[in-house]
Amino acid sequence: SAVISQKPSRDICQRGTSLTIQCQVDSQVTMMFWYRQQPGQSLTLIATANQGSEATYESGFVIDKFPISRPNLTFSTLTVSNMSPEDSSIYLCSGDRPGSGYTFGSGTRLTVV
Amino acid sequence: EDKVVQSPLSLVVHEGDTVTLNCSYEVTNFRSLLWYKQEKKAPTFLFMLTSSGIEKKSGRLSSILDKKELFSILNITATQTGDSAVYLCAVLFGNEKLTFGTGTRLTIIP
Repeated sequence: SAVISQKPSRDICQRGTSLTIQCQVDSQVTMMFWYRQQPGQSLTLIATANQGSEATYESGFVIDKFPISRPNLTFSTLTVSNMSPEDSSIYLCSGDRPGSGYTFGSGTRLTVV
Repeated sequence: EDKVVQSPLSLVVHEGDTVTLNCSYEVTNFRSLLWYKQEKKAPTFLFMLTSSGIEKKSGRLSSILDKKELFSILNITATQTGDSAVYLCAVLFGNEKLTFGTGTRLTIIP
């Protein structure tokens, strides 16, 4: 499976500010995904990051709040904009390697105060 | 609506016990079912199951899929304290997306 480096590992942010999370994959992957895991909950897909085109967002998530970039097949960023305490979660990126399972980055634990 | 349900939600057992975790699903365009172990933040991949009745095994862990009854089980034998984690089941659709279950929190008491 691909190895995905994600940063920052954790951050504490003031409400109203924005945070950009980065994921770097050690090999090219066709699809990259961004998930949110709220405290005590399972993983919820935010969007699919498409290389060279706009991300595809799931119901309940919008580009203005969670802008995503995917400039190439090994890198993606997720920005959490205009943060509120409700955005406090673990954010995870994932990449597909068909037949080998979907690998996850190490995760970003975000606390908004 | 596509749905993945895991049971039990939590489980506490003594070291050395055997546990069985369950995952049932209702999805369209099913492709595969995946199991993950989550200890801190990042889920780590355990198994991917595509065909019914074929057991996948890795050490003390094993898993099997029943596509007729739409469920999978994850077995852990001779449990150790290091097995304490949240175990996540996820189903892969035809559109390459994973839908996760709620997870089972497993606690192993020494």
